[in-house]
Amino acid sequence: AQSVTQLDSHVSVSEGTPVLLRCNYSSSYSPSLFWYVQHPNKGLQLLLKYTSAATLVKGINGFEAEFKKSETSFHLTKPSAHMSDAAEYFCVVTSYSGAGSYQLTFGKGTKLSVIP
Amino acid sequence: DTAVSQTPKYLVTQMGNDKSIKCEQNLGHDTMYWYKQDSKKFLKIMFSYNNKELIINETVPNRFSPKSPDKAHLNLHINSLELGDSAVYFCASSQVWSPGSSGANVLTFGAGSRLTVL
Repeated sequence: AQSVTQLDSHVSVSEGTPVLLRCNYSSSYSPSLFWYVQHPNKGLQLLLKYTSAATLVKGINGFEAEFKKSETSFHLTKPSAHMSDAAEYFCVVTSYSGAGSYQLTFGKGTKLSVIP
Repeated sequence: DTAVSQTPKYLVTQMGNDKSIKCEQNLGHDTMYWYKQDSKKFLKIMFSYNNKELIINETVPNRFSPKSPDKAHLNLHINSLELGDSAVYFCASSQVWSPGSSGANVLTFGAGSRLTVL
């Protein structure tokens, strides 16, 4: 079984300040982890992915995330928020779930607001 | 040259009607999905097809029936629409259906189809 928890449903930051969106996961097998972004009235777009290579992953638009196995976390960060970063962010985990099956689970999303 | 395209983008209909949403991907991916996003933005997987074969069928009313005529298409037909079916439905595809170091299970999403049932 696996699960993913996004610890904050809403994060608000001022433009130019750092962004931290938190994600914790649980998985019985080695997971792959992703962050997706959804701008208003748009589809989801991949920001970055972790697939058992480097634990610090760089994505598009200046975002990065660090896989910490000991903490079962995959938090998303950006040094300086931009107005265009205002969107909904989803953490996703996929892993083998036994008996030849794979499971993909979305977090419930974190809405990021950026204050000018 | 849209990667994953779904039609229609908006659909407004009466309760009890039957409607379909179509999805096509031109990425050569093997796996396609339907997700439902509710008003709280929560994404729930409904179905997944791998090479035209159903591999995920979550607890979804049997009024919802997916159809995959070929691996580039996955359509969603909904019978006897109810108010609670109002949502945004997203189609997605991935290269394969298996996690791994290649990241080949990265999802590419369509822009969504907003269904409103009156």
